[in-house]
Amino acid sequence: QQQVKQSPQSLIVQKGGIPIINCAYENTAFDYFPWYQQFPGKGPALLIAIRPDVSEKKEGRFTISFNKSAKQFSLHIMDSQPGDSATYFCAASSEDTDKLIFGTGTRLQVFP
Amino acid sequence: KAGVTQTPRYLIKTRGQQVTLSCSPISGHRSVSWYQQTPGQGLQFLFEYFSETQRNKGNFPGRFSGRQFSNSRSEMNVSTLELGDSALYLCASSRTATGYEQYFGPGTRLTVT
Repeated sequence: QQQVKQSPQSLIVQKGGIPIINCAYENTAFDYFPWYQQFPGKGPALLIAIRPDVSEKKEGRFTISFNKSAKQFSLHIMDSQPGDSATYFCAASSEDTDKLIFGTGTRLQVFP
Repeated sequence: KAGVTQTPRYLIKTRGQQVTLSCSPISGHRSVSWYQQTPGQGLQFLFEYFSETQRNKGNFPGRFSGRQFSNSRSEMNVSTLELGDSALYLCASSRTATGYEQYFGPGTRLTVT
């Protein structure tokens, strides 16, 4: 019940495309859902996060869509660029736990 | 504001040795969490410290331990190293003792031979 399932494992898009990465969770106590971006040799960087009281959040070209009833959330990258090529992790947490439960990661490649 | 710093960035150790990794959180952050990242297991939670107290521990053997100092800096120690301990060890800091808004350092790449 503590798992966060992420798909796809890898994704290849052309520049300007809109890659979509999906995550699903079981634990209804989760109330914080962040996305992290990780480049090779670097630590994960917090990209954007959402709480279950909203269905969508946008920050620049990154959008999180959240479906509370389906217990799913997804990351959309608008007008993707080669510089967006990285591994993306979804995660979940709740107030009564001080740890992040991570998905398995999606390796995104954006070709020019 | 400076980010999370971790030292050393790279380490090569031999089986059976022990190692200490260090983490300095973002100024004002009192919570420090440690994660292990491997290709096979992904990102796994090790433990979390807040105000010098370990509040949560992941499912790792007792060879993995940590501590936090009064200035919020944290260290983790792995004793009797095994080949399977080779991983990227990541430290994350946050203002509060929750999983919210955790900011990661660059990690320490540990290789056990």
